[in-house]
Order: sequence, then C-alpha cells, then structure tokens
Amino acid sequence: KQEVTQIPAALSVPEGENLVLNCSFTDSAIYNLQWFRQDPGKGLTSLLLIQSSQREQTSGRLNASLDKSSGRSTLYIAASQPGDSATYLCAVMKTGANNLFFGTGTRLTVIP
Amino acid sequence: NAGVTQTPKFQVLKTGQSMTLQCAQDMNHEYMSWYRQDPGMGLRLIHYSVGAGITDQGEVPNGYNVSRSTTEDFPLRLLSAAPSQTSVYFCASSYSLPGPYEQYFGPGTRLTVT
Repeated sequence: KQEVTQIPAALSVPEGENLVLNCSFTDSAIYNLQWFRQDPGKGLTSLLLIQSSQREQTSGRLNASLDKSSGRSTLYIAASQPGDSATYLCAVMKTGANNLFFGTGTRLTVIP
Repeated sequence: NAGVTQTPKFQVLKTGQSMTLQCAQDMNHEYMSWYRQDPGMGLRLIHYSVGAGITDQGEVPNGYNVSRSTTEDFPLRLLSAAPSQTSVYFCASSYSLPGPYEQYFGPGTRLTVT
C-alpha cells in the first residue's frame, strides 16, 4: 500500500522567506505526483503536476521536484507572501490507475 | 465552465438516515471519484468510475454506494448513516489514462451524523 508522508505538519515563516515543503512516498512505481493547495473550509486547488519521467516543474514562484528513486518530492516557494498561507497537500498516482494517494498535508502560515 | 460542483455544501443527518451527495462536472472527464477527508488522516478514496456504467471500490467503500449513468454525474449514496461517516466529502474528476492529467476537485460537502 502506498504511504505518503508530509513533514512538517505545520510551518510558520516571515513574509519574504523562501521555503521548502517535503513529501515522501513508499512505493516508487508512481505515474505522477500532484501538489495541491487547500484553503480553510475550501476544496483543493491543483498547483503543479509532475510526470514520473520529469525531475521538476515550475509555475511562477513555485517549483516542484521529484526523485522517484529516493521516494521524495519537494515544493519550493520563493519570496513567500501572506496569501500563500494554506495547507499544502501532495498526492501520488500509481502506475496504471487514476487514483490518488494523499499525504496529510503541511499547514503553512506566512507572517506579515 | 463550472468545473466540478457538489451539493449540498453542508448536511446534518441522524444515525440511520440515508442521503445522496451530488457531484457533477462539465469538462467531459471520463474519470470521477469520491474522497473523504478526516483530521490527521488525509484524503482517502471511497469509490471511483472510469466511465459511464463502470464503478469500482477505493480504500474505504463500506457504507457507501455509487452509480454512473452519465458522464457528467457521479452521486454518492449513504445507505444508513453512522457517526463514523462524519467527514468532509470531495468529488474529483479528470481525463482517464494515458495521461498524465490533473485532477480537479469540487468545493466539498461537510457532513455531520449525530
């Protein structure tokens, strides 16, 4: 069974700081990995999708990397802003299926 | 496009009652799924469908029923609600494999069973 872990569970940083969120998974036979953002009481918003054959993806101030061999992904947020405050979830899709396995998330607070 | 829509947003049920959570998407996605989100446990897959007329069980299917009569709609039925089903329910959709394709989530239904 695929296990997905996100550490730390919560993180507070001052505005403007660069930060890294971590995601690890136990089964390297993944098809892709997706990072989501969830605001309190809201649904999930897709941030980045990395195919298993890729090493990284970038969107604006966000950069996600993937290392299948070590079972790790990181989400790098540059020049953090208070509007980045949210819970960040990573999810992996196993080869051959659309189903996602989620981590429990990292709750990020950016302090003005 | 409205994307993925879910109704109702909130619901309170008594133990033993039944209800249907509605999910619809207007993106012509073949794949649709239901997840539940509980504190400290992450989202877990309940049921999924790869197309009209095809459904399958996920990680936590007990107590739930689904059907897929159209591409657009994928309702989730609670047969006899239990307090353990108190949770936030999310519906998601995407194009089917081969991909990869992003999955899109609805805003969620917050269900309380007393």
